[in-house]
Amino acid sequence: KQEVTQIPAALSVPEGENLVLNCSFTDSAIYNLQWFRQDPGKGLTSLLLIQSSQREQTSGRLNASLDKSSGRSTLYIAASQPGDSATYLCAVSTQGGSEKLVFGKGMKLTVNP
Amino acid sequence: KAGVTQTPRYLIKTRGQQVTLSCSPISGHRSVSWYQQTPGQGLQFLFEYFSETQRNKGNFPGRFSGRQFSNSRSEMNVSTLELGDSALYLCASSLGGRINEQFFGPGTRLTVL
Repeated sequence: KQEVTQIPAALSVPEGENLVLNCSFTDSAIYNLQWFRQDPGKGLTSLLLIQSSQREQTSGRLNASLDKSSGRSTLYIAASQPGDSATYLCAVSTQGGSEKLVFGKGMKLTVNP
Repeated sequence: KAGVTQTPRYLIKTRGQQVTLSCSPISGHRSVSWYQQTPGQGLQFLFEYFSETQRNKGNFPGRFSGRQFSNSRSEMNVSTLELGDSALYLCASSLGGRINEQFFGPGTRLTVL
């Protein structure tokens, strides 16, 4: 059974820091991995998707890497801003052709001005 | 292009009642998935529909059911509501193809009294 873990559960940092968010999964036979952000009481916003054949993806100040063999992904946020404050979730898809995602519990990020 | 929409946004029901939630996917998307989000369990997969057929199902009791229409809109129904069904119900859509990037709606907040 696939399990996804995000540690720590919460992080508070001053504005301007470069951040690394971690995600680990138990079964390396994933199809893709997706990072989301969720603002309080809202839905999920897709940030980056990495297919199993890829090593990393970049979008603006965000960079996500994937190491399937070790069961890990990291989301790098450069020059953090207060607007980055949210809960960040990673999720893996383990069945090609199926949309089922297995989520971690998320990491609540607070960026202080 | 309009995003995923969900109606209603908020619902209050009492135990024993039933409820129907609606999801309209992004235009052109053929896959719709449903998730339940609670503080204790996080995000859990309910089921996925593709071209009006249920393609995958999570570990929820039979009180939870869904369907998809020919225009890809989807509904989920919960019968005989229990207090533990209080949650944010999220719908996600995707093309259903190889990329499988999923886009989420704002969710329906269900409170069972």
